[in-house]
Amino acid sequence: EDKVVQSPLSLVVHEGDTVTLNCSYEVTNFRSLLWYKQEKKAPTFLFMLTSSGIEKKSGRLSSILDKKELFSILNITATQTGDSAVYLCAVRRQGAQKLVFGQGTRLTINP
Amino acid sequence: NAGVTQTPKFQVLKTGQSMTLQCAQDMNHEYMSWYRQDPGMGLRLIHYSVGAGITDQGEVPNGYNVSRSTTEDFPLRLLSAAPSQTSVYFCATRGLGATDTQYFGPGTRLTVL
Repeated sequence: EDKVVQSPLSLVVHEGDTVTLNCSYEVTNFRSLLWYKQEKKAPTFLFMLTSSGIEKKSGRLSSILDKKELFSILNITATQTGDSAVYLCAVRRQGAQKLVFGQGTRLTINP
Repeated sequence: NAGVTQTPKFQVLKTGQSMTLQCAQDMNHEYMSWYRQDPGMGLRLIHYSVGAGITDQGEVPNGYNVSRSTTEDFPLRLLSAAPSQTSVYFCATRGLGATDTQYFGPGTRLTVL
């Protein structure tokens, strides 16, 4: 059974800090790992990772995948209060259509 | 282009009542799915469909039925609601091409008393 575990489950930091969120997975025939940000409503897409060692970057957010050690990290630098959200990680296996999600990390940025 | 829409936004049911949560998309996506989200549990897949006439079970299908008669619509039916079905429900869609990006609807908050 495919499994995704995120850590920490909850994190509180001050504005301007840098944070690293973790996602480890167990999946047969890995195809892709996705990161989503969820504020008050529906999750919105951040990154999709398929290859090890290639960093995806968007502004202050970046993510990288390690297919040997079966994990991904999401980094947020110079955090702002608008980064407060639940961050979700999901994986998809080859030949399957569904995504399997982790529990999410609730990030709170205090001013 | 409305994307993914869900109705209703909020619903309160009594135990044993039935209802249908609606999901519609105008992106011509073949893949549609239903998730429920509970505190500390992330998103759990209920049912999914890869095209009209094709549905399959996810992680937590018990108590829910689905059908897919058109590409655009994927309703989720609760035949006899239970308090354990109190949750936020999200519909998500995706094309079956190379991209894995799923697009989520705004969610339905369901309370079963």
